[in-house]
Amino acid sequence: AQTVTQSQPEMSVQEAETVTLSCTYDTSESDYYLFWYKQPPSRQMILVIRQEAYKQQNATENRFSVNFQKAAKSFSLKISDSQLGDAAMYFCAYRSPSFAGNTPLVFGKGTRLSVIA
Amino acid sequence: GAGVSQSPSNKVTEKGKDVELRCDPISGHTALYWYRQSLGQGLEFLIYFQGNSAPDKSGLPSDRFSAERTGGSVSTLTIQRTQQEDSAVYLCASSLAGLVGTQYFGPGTRLTVL
Repeated sequence: AQTVTQSQPEMSVQEAETVTLSCTYDTSESDYYLFWYKQPPSRQMILVIRQEAYKQQNATENRFSVNFQKAAKSFSLKISDSQLGDAAMYFCAYRSPSFAGNTPLVFGKGTRLSVIA
Repeated sequence: GAGVSQSPSNKVTEKGKDVELRCDPISGHTALYWYRQSLGQGLEFLIYFQGNSAPDKSGLPSDRFSAERTGGSVSTLTIQRTQQEDSAVYLCASSLAGLVGTQYFGPGTRLTVL
């Protein structure tokens, strides 16, 4: 079974600075999908960024980018120019591919990010 | 368009009572998932529905938990004879079919069992 580990329960960053959240995973599959979700106090899980394992290029979405190291099974999230609205729980998630249909996400335990004004 | 909606937002019940939690997925999404988020436990998969196929119930923690999806749209998660350890946030997500199938989540239902 796949597992996802987020080793930083809490992180903090100064407004306008850059922060990197770590995620490692364990799998024997060669193809899969990785996600970062953000969960603010409202509880709504919001997709931040997605990475397909077969793509060598790291995904980017505006101020959010990932460092995907497939051999190391590492998938870190970098937030640039941090804003107060970035404060939230961040979850790393793994999903196996499925031609028959969709498969559930396997989540890490999350990292709580605080942004200091 | 409208996102995934869930009701109620919060539910407080007494131990031993049954509860029903509802999820309305994004229109056109054929896959629907239920997850449970417990304090200190992260998110765990409970059950998923894909089109008209039999649901994958492999994540349900006990036979007190069941779910159904009517007409390929709305889903109801039922917990019978609730226990205090059932207290958690129950999240629903939906997605299109396909290899990537990015899941979009609802705001969750916070269940408190007294």
